[in-house]
Amino acid sequence: QSALTQPPSASGSPGQSVVISCTGTSSDVGAYDYFSWYQQHPGKAPQLMIYEVTKRPSGVPDRFSGSRSGNTASLTVSGLQAEDEADYYCSLYAGNNNWVFGGGTKLTVL
Amino acid sequence: QLQVVESGGGVVQPGGSLRLSCAASGFTFKDYGMHWVRQAPGKGLEWVALISQDGTNQYSTDSVKGRFTVSRDNSRKTLYLQMNSLRTEDTAVYYCAKAGGVRFLPFDPWGQGTLVTVSS
Repeated sequence: QSALTQPPSASGSPGQSVVISCTGTSSDVGAYDYFSWYQQHPGKAPQLMIYEVTKRPSGVPDRFSGSRSGNTASLTVSGLQAEDEADYYCSLYAGNNNWVFGGGTKLTVL
Repeated sequence: QLQVVESGGGVVQPGGSLRLSCAASGFTFKDYGMHWVRQAPGKGLEWVALISQDGTNQYSTDSVKGRFTVSRDNSRKTLYLQMNSLRTEDTAVYYCAKAGGVRFLPFDPWGQGTLVTVSS
């Protein structure tokens, strides 16, 4: 079973940039492009923010961007706004008909 | 617009059964796989199960194998999750999500979720 590791928390002031990481292995994050990021506000359903590592669905602000280096994928939130305060989850197809999520990162806007 | 709406949650005793439903609209349901994902109170997201477009392939996480069954009725545009032998650790909000076209990713959109509470 794959395990994706995210920092439990991240923070930044309005207008700043924050990077949230998601670390896996060469067998998952490093091997597949089927990687996505989700935003979840308290009491709400998750919302897709980034898919296939770098692609942004229509309607998602271009302040959100995705990247990957080796076995670590990253979500960058630029120009932080108050409404960006939420939980963020990474997810990927881990092979063997198994889909996994990271443990989640709580983003606080100071 | 694309929408999925879950229903069927509730309180059930350990060892009991429950069937969740997920009604889809705004897209051609029969052309897409569908996922179930759950979130225990105060915890993160956990993938539960996937069913392929025509229902011939179903996959699930190890902790629910043999207890949960995912199915679909394309004529009714509805996804189901039959949950048997429920355990307290199955307590969670259960979300359905439309699967994307590449390795059934991404999960998009998600429903609002339905709460399942397993308690005596």
